[in-house]
Amino acid sequence: GAVVSQHPSWVICKSGTSVKIECRSLDFQATTMFWYRQFPKQSLMLMATSNEGSKATYEQGVEKDKFLINHASLTLSTLTVTSAHPEDSSFYICSAHPGGGSYNSPLHFGNGTRLTVT
Amino acid sequence: GENVEQHPSTLSVQEGDSAVIKCTYSDSASNYFPWYKQELGKRPQLIIDIRSNVGEKKDQRIAVTLNKTAKHFSLHITETQPEDSAVYFCAASKASARQLTFGSGTQLTVLP
Repeated sequence: GAVVSQHPSWVICKSGTSVKIECRSLDFQATTMFWYRQFPKQSLMLMATSNEGSKATYEQGVEKDKFLINHASLTLSTLTVTSAHPEDSSFYICSAHPGGGSYNSPLHFGNGTRLTVT
Repeated sequence: GENVEQHPSTLSVQEGDSAVIKCTYSDSASNYFPWYKQELGKRPQLIIDIRSNVGEKKDQRIAVTLNKTAKHFSLHITETQPEDSAVYFCAASKASARQLTFGSGTQLTVLP
């Protein structure tokens, strides 16, 4: 089955630093990847849609200059949390499925990244 | 945009009993409705999904029903087992958009 790999699985950083999270589709090409954020005991909230070769589309209320998304290839999207603050501490999860005519394929999630900003 | 509401937020059942979780959605253009199971600190795992051209789908102990007119869909788990304990999320999406809008989640606890 389709596998989405996310790295790192957890990271602790100091306030003011930047953190990069990688999301890879291992056995399929993903023209579109999605980034979600999940606070403890809450639902997954869509942050942005990452499109290969073009700019990401951000959801309302998500700062594009703070959460930088790059989707440079059909198998890799990265999310960089810039100038991280303690309130950015959360569980970040990426997801992907094959693009094109494969919309019937379900969405596959990465393992998530637990970010703690001290 | 789409809004998905999920109830109940917590559900406790005795082992062997059935569990039902209900969701409603607001966008009549939504046509794909997956259910995910998430264990603590782990990724959501797809357990079953249904498309708008189908009213019901079953996979062993799990079934999902969809009422397009009323814009609601439900997850049914029969013969519950302790390992069914987890948080369950419903979601909705439109094929063209593909991104999912999630419900708020239901913490299911199956008591042995």
